[in-house]
Amino acid sequence: KAGVTQTPRYLIKTRGQQVTLSCSPISGHRSVSWYQQTPGQGLQFLFEYFSETQRNKGNFPGRFSGRQFSNSRSEMNVSTLELGDSALYLCASSLGGHANYGYTFGSGTRLTVV
Amino acid sequence: DQQVKQNSPSLSVQEGRISILNCDYTNSMFDYFLWYKKYPAEGPTFLISISSIKDKNEDGRFTVFLNKSAKHLSLHIVPSQPGDSAVYFCAAKEMDAGTASKLTFGTGTRLQVTL
Repeated sequence: KAGVTQTPRYLIKTRGQQVTLSCSPISGHRSVSWYQQTPGQGLQFLFEYFSETQRNKGNFPGRFSGRQFSNSRSEMNVSTLELGDSALYLCASSLGGHANYGYTFGSGTRLTVV
Repeated sequence: DQQVKQNSPSLSVQEGRISILNCDYTNSMFDYFLWYKKYPAEGPTFLISISSIKDKNEDGRFTVFLNKSAKHLSLHIVPSQPGDSAVYFCAAKEMDAGTASKLTFGTGTRLQVTL
């Protein structure tokens, strides 16, 4: 079966712009979580969506937002981009939303802010 | 505040030998621990996990040990193979009344298995 698909793979944006990243989970998976990976910081939890509702949120400013559609696909939006937002953004999907049940990551979107 | 710490950014091991990757945590509310492996340009891949009610879990060449009193876990890979060369992340989940899947990750250890 198809894995978690993230688009685009690479993105270059200018400071102040906004960006939207997309994640298509594994078919049947209803939970989608987003993580930011930067050098030296590991993976930092952004938020989780389950059945179109944000169920959990990490410690990121309000410029970071997301949503989930009825088909479980999710989008993440970052407004007023800053240089520090340059990172690999990873999406993970799971069946019931519990990490114990299996949490599959996509390959990520590499965002560079210049 | 880094609640999950991997203090060794890198580790080099000879093929056939044992690789030991370490992870320390500070949050007593963590009840489930996972190891992920990541190759460049790919997302992390789940490797092995352990519940806080156990102290050891094995899966083939991979064994995870949990020492709750020391808030320490380790991943043993025996024997190490060149294909094991990757970045390994330790992750932990808090006890939660709901089913949210937030994981707290360490900063990773880059393992290089040499011939």
